Amino acid sequence: DGGITQSPKYLFRKEGQNVTLSCEQNLNHDAMYWYRQDPGQGLRLIYYSQIVNDFQKGDIAEGYSVSREKKESFPLTVTSAQKNPTAFYLCASSSPRHSSGNTIYFGEGSWLTVV
Amino acid sequence: AQTVTQSQPEMSVQEAETVTLSCTYDTSESDYYLFWYKQPPSRQMILVIRQEAYKQQNATENRFSVNFQKAAKSFSLKISDSQLGDAAMYFCAYRANFGNEKLTFGTGTRLTIIP
Repeated sequence: DGGITQSPKYLFRKEGQNVTLSCEQNLNHDAMYWYRQDPGQGLRLIYYSQIVNDFQKGDIAEGYSVSREKKESFPLTVTSAQKNPTAFYLCASSSPRHSSGNTIYFGEGSWLTVV
Repeated sequence: AQTVTQSQPEMSVQEAETVTLSCTYDTSESDYYLFWYKQPPSRQMILVIRQEAYKQQNATENRFSVNFQKAAKSFSLKISDSQLGDAAMYFCAYRANFGNEKLTFGTGTRLTIIP
């Protein structure tokens, strides 16, 4: 099935650790995005990538890092510099050349908790 | 910078009745898309409806329709014949129509359906 796969669904991080959230898509989309959602709040953009080997900071990039070595993959690393990482993380993708045009599609999300 | 405002943190409606969720936005662009996403307790982001700014006709998807007022920068969602499965967070979102631009979200409206 075509779609966006995020893993793991649940992740626990100890203080001082870096953790990486995986996002893979088989939709042949050019652009990929990472959003963070805190309880009861909207989505805020962390990083996005419009093409392989290129990415831009979003509104809350501090304490996060990404890479885009393959079109299908856009992993997000939550570093120890991110002081309040407990949140729900959503990966998304889109392509203007796709028949759906300007629609952004989302994965099922990953919960990250600091213990 | 673009902003999206949802002024109703919570709404409730009797089953089978009609409810309207409000959204306003601010942009200097003339070509853009507007979206309503639904987020049920599973946290999956589900596209409900989208509207292209250049189309004067309001979008409709089954029981969901929008009232798009471009001059007023208003984009409300009407849900007719409300069903228990409509209970969710609803997010309004804006996206400029060039390249692979990011989505900017409002803070959401929690909709409760009263049996």
